[in-house]
Amino acid sequence: GPKVLQIPSHQIIDMGQMVTLNCDPVSNHLYFYWYKQILGQQMEFLVNFYNGKVMEKSKLFKDQFSVERPDGSYFTLKIQPTALEDSAVYFCASSSTISGNTLYFGEGSRLIVV
Amino acid sequence: QQKVQQSPESLIVPEGGMASLNCTSSDRNVDYFWWYRQHSGKSPKMLMSIFSNGEKEEGRFTVHLNKASLHTSLHIRDSQPSDSALYLCAAAIYGSSGNKLIFGIGTLLSVKP
Repeated sequence: GPKVLQIPSHQIIDMGQMVTLNCDPVSNHLYFYWYKQILGQQMEFLVNFYNGKVMEKSKLFKDQFSVERPDGSYFTLKIQPTALEDSAVYFCASSSTISGNTLYFGEGSRLIVV
Repeated sequence: QQKVQQSPESLIVPEGGMASLNCTSSDRNVDYFWWYRQHSGKSPKMLMSIFSNGEKEEGRFTVHLNKASLHTSLHIRDSQPSDSALYLCAAAIYGSSGNKLIFGIGTLLSVKP
């Protein structure tokens, strides 16, 4: 099936440092998403992105978070500076259209902030 | 209050048995319900979606939807140990700000041989 690739799969980072999580969405998909899942807890919506712009973000999408997809390259989530509570698995997803279409998820990037 | 509530939190069924999972949304703007399955340490994989009243069957999996009560259920017949996973219900809300899925906390299914 369609694949969303995420790099890195794991990262350990010192609190206060910057981290960039990369996502290669399904080819020809137009809508991109980031979700956050803390171990044993719910999958929570962070942000969706279309046509170079953030469409909606949740309260979890703090000011330290930013997303972009320059020139059709990776769709990135940047956290600067990181905090201990940012430790989680971050899932990227993409979909082809806005309505009624499946979100395909990547395998996740496990971020540990120490 | 959670917008998508799932029950039970965990469920143990014997191999070959029937597993029934429930999900209700408190948001009347829901357009679709999705069921995803997430094996430990893996990404969620879409199982089925439903947007109209009634029932939809795919192999051993059947999904029901009652739009009036915003309640959906997933039934797995002839459960297999490989079905052991976290089952996530998601409500899809489409609007001018795009599409997003709101997930429930999930039901952890264990199928015992």
